[in-house]
Amino acid sequence: EVQLLESGGGLVQPGGSLRLSCVASGFPFSIHVMSWVRQAPGKGLEWVSSITGSGVSTYYADSVKGRFTISRDNSKNTLYLQMNSLRAEDMAVYYCAKEDPIVGRVFDYWGQGTLVTVSS
Amino acid sequence: DIQMTQSPSSLSASVGDRVTITCRASQSITNFLNWYVLKPGKAPKLLISAASNLQSGVPSRFSGSGSGTDFTLTISSLQPEDFATYYCQQSYNSPYTFGQGTKLEIK
Repeated sequence: EVQLLESGGGLVQPGGSLRLSCVASGFPFSIHVMSWVRQAPGKGLEWVSSITGSGVSTYYADSVKGRFTISRDNSKNTLYLQMNSLRAEDMAVYYCAKEDPIVGRVFDYWGQGTLVTVSS
Repeated sequence: DIQMTQSPSSLSASVGDRVTITCRASQSITNFLNWYVLKPGKAPKLLISAASNLQSGVPSRFSGSGSGTDFTLTISSLQPEDFATYYCQQSYNSPYTFGQGTKLEIK
C-alpha cells in the first residue's frame, strides 16, 4: 500500500524558513517523480515543485522559484521542501504527491498534508 | 499559464441525484485532464486521468468525458460519501494548473 506522510509544518514568521519532509513507502521511491502541491486557506490547489527520481532535475512554480528548494534522499525514501523567505501567501496545507509514471504530471497518490502558517 | 475554470463553484444535491461538473481550459489541452476529490482531513484522491480513464477502485458511478477545452465529471447516482470538493487539473503544460474547485453539498 502506497503511503506518504508529511511532517515539518508549523508556525513561522514572515521571512523565516521551514523544511518539510515526506516519508514514502509501498512503492519503489527512487524511480518515481515526486511533487509538492499546496492549498491556501479557502483557495484551490496549486502545484509547487517536482523532482525526478534521480533528483537531477527539479521544477518550480514561478511563485516559489528562488525561495523554495525541492530535494530527495532515496536511501531514506524521503522527499523534502526547503522553504526560505516565507511570505503570508505561502501559508497553506502542503501535500506530497507521487506522479503516475506512465501518464506523467498526474498525481496518483497524495499524503494528508502538513500545515504551514506564516504569521508574525 | 493555462487557466482552468470549473463550474459551478458549489452545488447542492441529494443522494441518488445525477450531477455534472464542468471544467474549461483556456486553450486546448487535448485529453490531458484529470479529476481529484478532496475531503477535509484526508489525502486528496485521483478519480480520473486522461479525461476519461477511471482509476482502479473508483466506483463506476463516476465518469469523465471531453477533449480540447471542455470536460465534464459526472456522478450518476450520488452517494453520501461523494459530498466533497472536486478539482480538475491539466497535465498538458507546466505549470500544471488546477481549477478552483467545486464543492458538492447535501441538499
